Amino acid sequence: GAGVSQSPSNKVTEKGKDVELRCDPISGHTALYWYRQRLGQGLEFLIYFQGNSAPDKSGLPSDRFSAERTGESVSTLTIQRTQQEDSAVYLCASSPVGGNYEQYFGPGTRLTVT
Amino acid sequence: SQQGEEDPQALSIQEGENATMNCSYKTSINNLQWYRQNSGRGLVHLILIRSNEREKHSGRLRVTLDTSKKSSSLLITASRAADTASYFCATDRGSTLGRLYFGRGTQLTVWP
Repeated sequence: GAGVSQSPSNKVTEKGKDVELRCDPISGHTALYWYRQRLGQGLEFLIYFQGNSAPDKSGLPSDRFSAERTGESVSTLTIQRTQQEDSAVYLCASSPVGGNYEQYFGPGTRLTVT
Repeated sequence: SQQGEEDPQALSIQEGENATMNCSYKTSINNLQWYRQNSGRGLVHLILIRSNEREKHSGRLRVTLDTSKKSSSLLITASRAADTASYFCATDRGSTLGRLYFGRGTQLTVWP
């Protein structure tokens, strides 16, 4: 079946512009996660959606970052007024249920802020 | 901050050799997971080991967990060039909410 998809795969933007990154989780997965990975680093947790519960936004690095999820489907991560330090690969993952289970990752969006 | 700390940071071996990667962590956990990442893109789940388990096998993979030492190891036996990738451990820091904390990873290179 279809895995997690993300778009765009690559995004180059100018400093100060807003960007939107999209994630389509595996159908039926109630849990959805966003991570950021800087070059040569591990993954940093950004935000977690689980069903209709309030999202866990504790990993968002600043108020320039926000995310939404429509029901149990598509999620959008928005970065406003992008800065060069926002350059990274943004990874989305989904899981059949919330809790401590394996996560299925998308291919990521490579964001470059010039 | 990173929860898992993998070592070595980089490992180069020949095909057919075994590769061992280690992970240490600082807090209690419910489970620990290992993931593989090719070319800096999406991660693939390899194995999950629960805190009450000591060893788990999956094909050529063997994972051990020592909760008293807060450490885990991933062994890949009879390695292949296709095993070349970055390997990450991830823990839940004792939470049941699903958030994972990743280390910086081990870059494994397997030479043909």
